Amino acid sequence: AQTVTQSQPEMSVQEAETVTLSCTYDTSESDYYLFWYKQPPSRQMILVIRQEAYKQQNATENRFSVNFQKAAKSFSLKISDSQLGDAAMYFCAYRKLSGNTPLVFGKGTRLSVIA
Amino acid sequence: DGGITQSPKYLFRKEGQNVTLSCEQNLNHDAMYWYRQDPGQGLRLIYYSQIVNDFQKGDIAEGYSVSREKKESFPLTVTSAQKNPTAFYLCASSIPTAAGGYTFGSGTRLTVV
Repeated sequence: AQTVTQSQPEMSVQEAETVTLSCTYDTSESDYYLFWYKQPPSRQMILVIRQEAYKQQNATENRFSVNFQKAAKSFSLKISDSQLGDAAMYFCAYRKLSGNTPLVFGKGTRLSVIA
Repeated sequence: DGGITQSPKYLFRKEGQNVTLSCEQNLNHDAMYWYRQDPGQGLRLIYYSQIVNDFQKGDIAEGYSVSREKKESFPLTVTSAQKNPTAFYLCASSIPTAAGGYTFGSGTRLTVV
């Protein structure tokens, strides 16, 4: 079974600085998708970024980028120029390539942003 | 606008009672999912349905039941057999390609009193 591990339960960053959240996963599949979701205090889940495993280029969405290392099964999220609104729980998730299979989530990292 | 609606937002249950959490979507998504969120546990899969009239158990299905009689609706019943039901419950739906990720509802907070 696939597993997703987020080894940092809590992280903090100064406003305007850069922070990296770690995620590793275990799978025997060669093609799959990886996601980062943000859950602010409202508890609404928001998709931050996605990565297709067959693409070598790291995905980027404005201030959010990933470092995808397929051989190491690592998928870290970098947040640049951190803002107070980035404070949230961040979940890493894995999904098989085929069909409507469920996402497998990590346990999350709580990010605090210090003004 | 299309989306997923979960109701109620807060729910209180007495011990020994069954309660049903509602999840409705107007996105025309085939697949729907229920997750439970506890502090420090992330999101754990309870049940999912890839098509009407069919559903599969997730990792923590004991004490829960679901139905999928309509494409738009995927209600979750928390039965009295669930020993520790107090948690935050999230419903989600997805399109038939893995790249789409999920669209989430806003969640239901269930508390046993």
